[in-house]
Amino acid sequence: KNEVEQSPQNLTAQEGEFITINCSYSVGISALHWLQQHPGGGIVSLFMLSSGKKKHGRLIATINIQEKHSSLHITASHPRDSAVYICAVRGSGGGADGLTFGKGTHLIIQP
Amino acid sequence: DADVTQTPRNRITKTGKRIMLECSQTKGHDRMYWYRQDPGLGLRLIYYSFDVKDINKGEISDGYSVSRQAQAKFSLSLESAIPNQTALYFCATSEDGYEQYFGPGTRLTVT
Repeated sequence: KNEVEQSPQNLTAQEGEFITINCSYSVGISALHWLQQHPGGGIVSLFMLSSGKKKHGRLIATINIQEKHSSLHITASHPRDSAVYICAVRGSGGGADGLTFGKGTHLIIQP
Repeated sequence: DADVTQTPRNRITKTGKRIMLECSQTKGHDRMYWYRQDPGLGLRLIYYSFDVKDINKGEISDGYSVSRQAQAKFSLSLESAIPNQTALYFCATSEDGYEQYFGPGTRLTVT
């Protein structure tokens, strides 16, 4: 079982819709990241969370540490939001440095 | 100029060949990472380095080696490439192991 599970794997929506992408993890973490990967391949960090909620423009990320769950919301979605959204966690125990990644959610926003 | 650069951006090579992927950064970070991304599997950690003298294996280091030539440079080598090493390879840097900054990726195809 993957330590980081995302849902849905694929999501197609109409422009303007409210989008939610979910991430569940099974390990103790010190931080959770939401990343965006566009078709060209580059990866950009959207948020880093260890508690609560963060907002940047139309993007909102929340985390519930007790439930080991995070959500990424996009309000008033736009075709330029089409991308792969990746959840990643940094473990709190010992072991390797670096992030553990979910498999990504492929989002398509249709005009 | 980009803070994290990777060369080459695309490479096609034959089975058994030795190949080196290079990563350079201008962020002044001590920590550097190599990840690979495969369709349906997400990104996985190959090697990471805390500084020039501290290099560690990640989740999938078999078949790979690395060299940290300087704080700014971290190279990944495939001593004898095989087709299942066909993937998208990302380098990343971090100041403290939390926020990570990704390079643009190298698309490697082994025929």
